[in-house]
Amino acid sequence: GAGVSQSPSNKVTEKGKDVELRCDPISGHTALYWYRQSLGQGLEFLIYFQGNSAPDKSGLPSDRFSAERTGGSVSTLTIQRTQQEDSAVYLCASSRDRVNEQYFGPGTRLTVT
Amino acid sequence: AQSVTQLGSHVSVSEGALVLLRCNYSSSVPPYLFWYVQYPNQGLQLLLKYTSAATLVKGINGFEAEFKKSETSFHLTKPSAHMSDAAEYFCAVSEGNTPLVFGKGTRLSVIA
Repeated sequence: GAGVSQSPSNKVTEKGKDVELRCDPISGHTALYWYRQSLGQGLEFLIYFQGNSAPDKSGLPSDRFSAERTGGSVSTLTIQRTQQEDSAVYLCASSRDRVNEQYFGPGTRLTVT
Repeated sequence: AQSVTQLGSHVSVSEGALVLLRCNYSSSVPPYLFWYVQYPNQGLQLLLKYTSAATLVKGINGFEAEFKKSETSFHLTKPSAHMSDAAEYFCAVSEGNTPLVFGKGTRLSVIA
């Protein structure tokens, strides 16, 4: 079946604008994760959704970042009032549940000018 | 809280030589351990995982890793490097009910 998909693949935005990044997980996967990958910094956990439970937002760096997952499937990560330090690749992953391996999408490269 | 340390941000090997990428972890409970590979401009792909079964885990593309509890290590090896192995490799740990915690990655270069 299809893997995890993300859109857009690239996004260039001006400082101060809001952006929305989309993730379509693998069908049937109940767990969905967002990570941020900055140059030389590895992967930084942002937020985690598991089924209908309240999301784990412990990794969100500021209140400008938010995410939702509608109908237990598609997820949107929103960054408000973007800053240059938000420039990074944003990766989405899904898994059957929290203890199984995660499958990653190709990422969205965000550039804030 | 769990953590991962990958020794060496960049490793360079000759084609046909042994590949050894080091990973040490910290976890308060028996961990789940993973190695992922990331090719340029792509997402991460699972190479192999350890989930408390056999300590020597075989993965895709000829890679394997050995879980050593006494050394809190999970090093990744491949007997003979191929040019196509050039990529970024990430070690990750989970305590089973927590999101994966990733190391900072090791970039592997293969020299012809």
